[in-house]
Amino acid sequence: GESVGLHLPTLSVQEGDNSIINCAYSNSASDYFIWYKQESGKGPQFIIDIRSNMDKRQGQRVTVLLNKTVKHLSLQIAATQPGDSAVYFCAENRRTNAGKSTFGDGTTLTVKP
Amino acid sequence: ETGVTQTPRHLVMGMTNKKSLKCEQHLGHNAMYWYKQSAKKPLELMFVYSLEERVENNSVPSRFSPECPNSSHLFLHLHTLQPEDSALYLCASREGGSGNTEAFFGQGTRLTVV
Repeated sequence: GESVGLHLPTLSVQEGDNSIINCAYSNSASDYFIWYKQESGKGPQFIIDIRSNMDKRQGQRVTVLLNKTVKHLSLQIAATQPGDSAVYFCAENRRTNAGKSTFGDGTTLTVKP
Repeated sequence: ETGVTQTPRHLVMGMTNKKSLKCEQHLGHNAMYWYKQSAKKPLELMFVYSLEERVENNSVPSRFSPECPNSSHLFLHLHTLQPEDSALYLCASREGGSGNTEAFFGQGTRLTVV
């Protein structure tokens, strides 16, 4: 079957350090990947996306890396701040699946001051 | 604010009650989704509506009944639920209904079935 998974359920980092959150996916037909952030009491919020014709994409303090060979996705957060504490989900899509994303389990990031 | 609004934010209902969850989006999107989020489990897709037509029912029990009267509104009608249905119910919308755009989620309705 198809699955998207994250390597670690929890990650704790010191404020100011860089964070790396990993995700593995199994469907080689996936062509679009998204990272979402979910803060306590809120719905998931889009952070950054990447299409399968790219291997790296940068946003503001965030970078997503895609390795299609090993079906691995990572989210890097630079200079992690307390406001980054949340649950992070990766999701995979295919252009033909009407937006029926498959979500990973989520990694809870805790930033220590 | 994501542009997707869900009401109520919290709901406690008995197993014999009938209630409805409401979702509203003013983003001009034409695809809307219901997801269930339980503790320690990935988001589970329940229903997909594209251009007001249901295009997916992901093996959801009939005690959950969706309704999409127009492209801006989505409802989830609930009746004779079970305690294991307690979860966060999330509505999302997407532009164009295609797979290659991000979803915009509401804040969710925290449902407790007693």
